Amino acid sequence: QVQLQESGPGLVKPSETLSLTCAVSGYSIRGGYYWGWIRQPPGKGLEWIGSIYHSGSTYYNPSLKSRVTISVDTSKNQFSLKLSSVTAADTAVYFCARLRYSGYAGGYWGQGTLVTVSS
Amino acid sequence: QSALTQPASVSGSPGQSITISCTGTSSDVGGYNYVSWYQQHPGKAPKLMIYDVSNRPSGVSNRFSGSKSDNTASLTISGLQAEDEADYYCSSYASSTTLVFGGGTKLTVL
Repeated sequence: QVQLQESGPGLVKPSETLSLTCAVSGYSIRGGYYWGWIRQPPGKGLEWIGSIYHSGSTYYNPSLKSRVTISVDTSKNQFSLKLSSVTAADTAVYFCARLRYSGYAGGYWGQGTLVTVSS
Repeated sequence: QSALTQPASVSGSPGQSITISCTGTSSDVGGYNYVSWYQQHPGKAPKLMIYDVSNRPSGVSNRFSGSKSDNTASLTISGLQAEDEADYYCSSYASSTTLVFGGGTKLTVL
């Protein structure tokens, strides 16, 4: 059974860097899927942040690209998100997900973690 | 990269059928057969209901079906049930290996 679990601080100060990790169990991150981050501000819709392949190839949402870094650690079977210079607009539930290689359909998701940006 | 357009809300009575539309452009919905649909209940993670326009993952009821015409994709739910009440999101693979979501549609079962 594939499982994903997000972890990281629930509170980040404005202008600082948000850091989250997604631990994958039940499946090797070296398999033929992309691994992605998606966020959802309170009461709003879903927004794709970016994706990574186990080789390290990354793809980012153009609107966030200048502030986002996604990395993968195959030895720990996990991948991570860093979002710099955060503001209140970055307050959201952050989900990690396994995405099909062709077409990016997300068959497995983490439960999500709420990150609040506030001083 | 603009969000795909979905109606804010739709409603139907138990047993009826409803359709949710998802309109994009030739750079996303119209350009690829990679539209997905997700169901999200309050406080839960999205659940994949349809992928690659019309394919159902294992375990998803055949009451859910998807289609696409030009730049507009559609999700149809037949035999509406109370448990179908949720938010529904479409997504599409887009150029430069990116992903775009729709704004979401709230389905109310009357």
